[in-house]
Amino acid sequence: NAGVTQTPKFQVLKTGQSMTLQCAQDMNHEYMSWYRQDPGMGLRLIHYSVGAGITDQGEVPNGYNVSRSTTEDFPLRLLSAAPSQTSVYFCASSYSNRRTEAFFGQGTRLTVV
Amino acid sequence: AQKVTQAQTEISVVEKEDVTLDCVYETRDTTYYLFWYKQPPSGELVFLIRRNSFDEQNEISGRYSWNFQKSTSSFNFTITASQVVDSAVYFCALTKAAGNKLTFGGGTRVLVKP
Repeated sequence: NAGVTQTPKFQVLKTGQSMTLQCAQDMNHEYMSWYRQDPGMGLRLIHYSVGAGITDQGEVPNGYNVSRSTTEDFPLRLLSAAPSQTSVYFCASSYSNRRTEAFFGQGTRLTVV
Repeated sequence: AQKVTQAQTEISVVEKEDVTLDCVYETRDTTYYLFWYKQPPSGELVFLIRRNSFDEQNEISGRYSWNFQKSTSSFNFTITASQVVDSAVYFCALTKAAGNKLTFGGGTRVLVKP
């Protein structure tokens, strides 16, 4: 099993550009989510999904869109990149059983210049 | 709203010393789950432990141990006889119910010197 796969691993964008961070999991997990990691602030929840077709906002959703058309995939779209979106992005997935931990992807390091 | 505080931003120890990482949380929920994750220099997040609010038993796994005290809203983590490979950032996290709507603390960087 590959687990949670994120692509790309690194990306540099110019201000105003758009892009999609990809996230795929092969564990048949119902829950998926996106976090951003900034120095000294831990990880903060951007968007999450409890199943295909269902998404909701987390703590820091502005500037990001998500959709979940399949159980496996949960892409994160940056509509118009800003320097404030420079961060490391993590995708996570887990079973809907509350007793399970979240599995994280390797992360995407994004720099917006 | 939930909150997790890791007051120690960085801890430096010499190999074989013990190190304790503090985690204090705030929540109004009676059912909740606490986690510790390790982030080594390579950047991935490695799950270490999960504890639910009804289980206050302490846990030991090898050189790692966890002390959960509901009365003080703390979930502290101790590494006994630290090794260089323990050098990493450690995150404490809290969730109400949903599997991965986690609230993270700011993390504690542990540097173990040989």
